[in-house]
Amino acid sequence: EVVLTQSPATLSVSPGERATLSCGASQSVSTNLAWYQQKPGQAPRLLIYGAYTRATGIPARFSGSGSGTEFTLTISSLQSEDFAVYYCQQYNNWLWTFGQGTKVEIK
Amino acid sequence: QVQLQESGPGLVKPSETLSLTCTVSGYSFNSGYYWGWIRQPPGKGLEWIGSIYESGSTYYNPSLQSRVTIFLDTSKKQISLKLSSVTAADTGLYFCARVVADSWSGYPKYSDYCGQGTLITVSS
Repeated sequence: EVVLTQSPATLSVSPGERATLSCGASQSVSTNLAWYQQKPGQAPRLLIYGAYTRATGIPARFSGSGSGTEFTLTISSLQSEDFAVYYCQQYNNWLWTFGQGTKVEIK
Repeated sequence: QVQLQESGPGLVKPSETLSLTCTVSGYSFNSGYYWGWIRQPPGKGLEWIGSIYESGSTYYNPSLQSRVTIFLDTSKKQISLKLSSVTAADTGLYFCARVVADSWSGYPKYSDYCGQGTLITVSS
């Protein structure tokens, strides 16, 4: 089973600033990685798949990078609606795993 | 627009079987997707439960495999989940999801649509 480790657990950022979230995999998953955003009481929302492809309707301020075992989600200029928990998920084989999440909070 | 709506009993007694249904609208089946279930204990992260392809083939989380079954009824546009011998550790929000399939490996990849979830509490 691939273990995904996200860091930091909590990121305090001011609106308009850049946020950088990390996701590390215990073994290579190539670019088989997705990022989701989840707000309290809501379903996870797909942001990025294939490590760097934005899902339909996702603003350009969200970008993904990385391959193998190290991945990054960058939010270039945080908007009020971006404060949420972010999860990475790998799908290198049929056995999905999620990271434990990074909470992006208002500084 | 694809929409998914979960429904369930809300409260389940320990050792009983949890049964959930997800009804899909805005989508015609047999277009090559998986359908899956994800859960989230209160205040915790996401856990994959399992996925079923439109042909009926399934993949389950090994940690739950002995207790879980996922069914697909395309005529009713419903995906069902059964989880047996539940304990308090099965309490949480249960989401159903449409899952994109990998065109090369055939494996489930990522979820592009999720329902809003249904809260299940396991308690006597």
